[in-house]
Amino acid sequence: ETGVTQSPTHLIKTRGQQVTLRCSSQSGHNTVSWYQQALGQGPQFIFQYYREEENGRGNFPPRFSGLQFPNYSSELNVNALELDDSALYLCASSQASYTGELFFGEGSRLTVL
Amino acid sequence: AQSVTQLGSHVSVSEGALVLLRCNYSSSVPPYLFWYVQYPNQGLQLLLKYTTGATLVKGINGFEAEFKKSETSFHLTKPSAHMSDAAEYFCAVSEAGGYQKVTFGTGTKLQVIP
Repeated sequence: ETGVTQSPTHLIKTRGQQVTLRCSSQSGHNTVSWYQQALGQGPQFIFQYYREEENGRGNFPPRFSGLQFPNYSSELNVNALELDDSALYLCASSQASYTGELFFGEGSRLTVL
Repeated sequence: AQSVTQLGSHVSVSEGALVLLRCNYSSSVPPYLFWYVQYPNQGLQLLLKYTTGATLVKGINGFEAEFKKSETSFHLTKPSAHMSDAAEYFCAVSEAGGYQKVTFGTGTKLQVIP
């Protein structure tokens, strides 16, 4: 069974740039969620994708967007990067028959200078 | 709206001592409750979860938690701490039957002293 994988693991951008983070979900999972974890904080829900559609969103501005592909992999795109976007971005996959458990990747650490 | 409060951002225990990490939640509907563990530079791993049924749930690595509806609590315990338990622990809540938004607490960093 292949777990959740994310890429890249680390990246550095400057203010105003754009970034794309990628996630491959665990085998058999068709739902992907993205979370932002700032230093010293708990993860904050960004949005969730199911059947290639966004079906839930947290309190994040529209410059945070995503995609889900037919193979259930996903991308998180962030435009016009700000310093406060520096964080660990976590992808989690799950099954549509919701039992509550999320399976997390190891994250992509974004630093915005 | 759902929320989680974790009391104590840092907890220190001696090796072999009882571990108690506190969590209180707020939810307008029956909740699902979770504890996740995060080791440095890693993602989150599920320790245990409560969905329905027995209120005392057992997880991995000897941890357990009890759902107390009247106290809106879901405290995490382990009878005897091991050095390998040093990590950050997150309590989380989601709404049963809803879409899969999970709300996390701010975390408790557990230090185990030899």
